[in-house]
Amino acid sequence: NAGVTQTPKFQVLKTGQSMTLQCAQDMNHEYMSWYRQDPGMGLRLIHYSVGAGITDQGEVPNGYNVSRSTTEDFPLRLLSAAPSQTSVYFCASSTLATNEKLFFGSGTQLSVL
Amino acid sequence: QQQVKQSPQSLIVQKGGISIINCAYENTAFDYFPWYQQFPGKGPALLIAIRPDVSEKKEGRFTISFNKSAKQFSLHIMDSQPGDSATYFCAASLGQYRKLTFGTGTRLTIIP
Repeated sequence: NAGVTQTPKFQVLKTGQSMTLQCAQDMNHEYMSWYRQDPGMGLRLIHYSVGAGITDQGEVPNGYNVSRSTTEDFPLRLLSAAPSQTSVYFCASSTLATNEKLFFGSGTQLSVL
Repeated sequence: QQQVKQSPQSLIVQKGGISIINCAYENTAFDYFPWYQQFPGKGPALLIAIRPDVSEKKEGRFTISFNKSAKQFSLHIMDSQPGDSATYFCAASLGQYRKLTFGTGTRLTIIP
């Protein structure tokens, strides 16, 4: 049971570089989401998706893009990284029927210099 | 705008004691209140959850108390153990797709 798999686990970027954080789930969950975790601020929702081809913004979407071409994958793109995007990023998924119970990946620690 | 306020930021409890973490919310439309537990280097995992039509929910050593009129809810960990040492997040949700709003987290340390 892989659950929610995030890659990479660690990444260092220079300001202005772009990258994609990968997220895949093998539980056939319709709902997928991205959160960022910062000290003293809890987890904040960046983007979410309720199915292939359907995405929407969360609380802090600026600077991030997402797409959902398959049920399994939900990548998060940083087009031009900024130091303010230094954070730990978590992908989470759930069924739509019980989408309060989120299953989280183990996170990607991103540093932007 | 912090819609869910959590306290304390950190908590140290002796083994066997009771750990209590409190949360307060502003939006009365919230209708689901989960608690997540996070160990270092891991993602959060659902611990226990409650809906506002009940005042208390207990699962083993973990209890949620809910006060709808005060817009507050709390997590009680009875007989706290070193293995309970983790960061705990309260959360609240509403809406069609139930986007969770998290509190800022409490780092709990259980000492022998």
